Amino acid sequence: QVQLQESGPGLVKPSETLSLTCTVSGGSISGSSYFWGWIRQPPGKGLEWIGNIYYSGSTNYNPSLKSRVTISVDTSKNQFSLNLSSVTAADTAVYYCARPAISGYYSAFEHWGQGTLVTVSS
Amino acid sequence: QSVLTQPPSVSAAPGQKVTISCSGSSSNIGNNYVSWYQQLPGTAPKLLIYDDNKRPSGIPDRISGSKSGTSATLGITGLQTGDEADYYCGAWDSSLSAVVFGGGTKLTVL
Repeated sequence: QVQLQESGPGLVKPSETLSLTCTVSGGSISGSSYFWGWIRQPPGKGLEWIGNIYYSGSTNYNPSLKSRVTISVDTSKNQFSLNLSSVTAADTAVYYCARPAISGYYSAFEHWGQGTLVTVSS
Repeated sequence: QSVLTQPPSVSAAPGQKVTISCSGSSSNIGNNYVSWYQQLPGTAPKLLIYDDNKRPSGIPDRISGSKSGTSATLGITGLQTGDEADYYCGAWDSSLSAVVFGGGTKLTVL
């Protein structure tokens, strides 16, 4: 059973870059046909998709965040990462990494990390 | 403002049936598969339905999904207090080239 675990700083200063890593266990990122995604949820609000990455490095980003987002993959470590630049308080959220149920799908996320709260504050 | 529209809240008594609607457009629900998630407080979302009406392993058959045109519906029968949660619909939007979610519906089991 594939498992995902987010890691990274819980506090980021305004205007700086938020960086998170998702470590995958129980399955290999490389050679699989799955997309790997990041989703966030501001406190008390709904889900917002940030973007997806394929093991080859191909990405899809939310148009509203595209100018500030970079998702990358490190197949040697079985990890993928999120960088979000120029953060503001509006970027405060629980950040989840997730994998869809079906290979080749962009959505229908079946496997989720536990989530990590990132607060943007000076 | 979410791309997919859900009612903010629904309620029903234990043992009863409830439906949650999700309205979109031809660029998302109308031409792409819908998925549904349950989120209990303080936990990650859980996939209940994918491909409009398919259940992942372990999801009971009292959970169902359907779609007609640009709207989708999640149905839950035999309501239990443990079903109290937030429910989200999601889909790929071909015009935005993005995954979109509904704003979420809070289910209360009275």
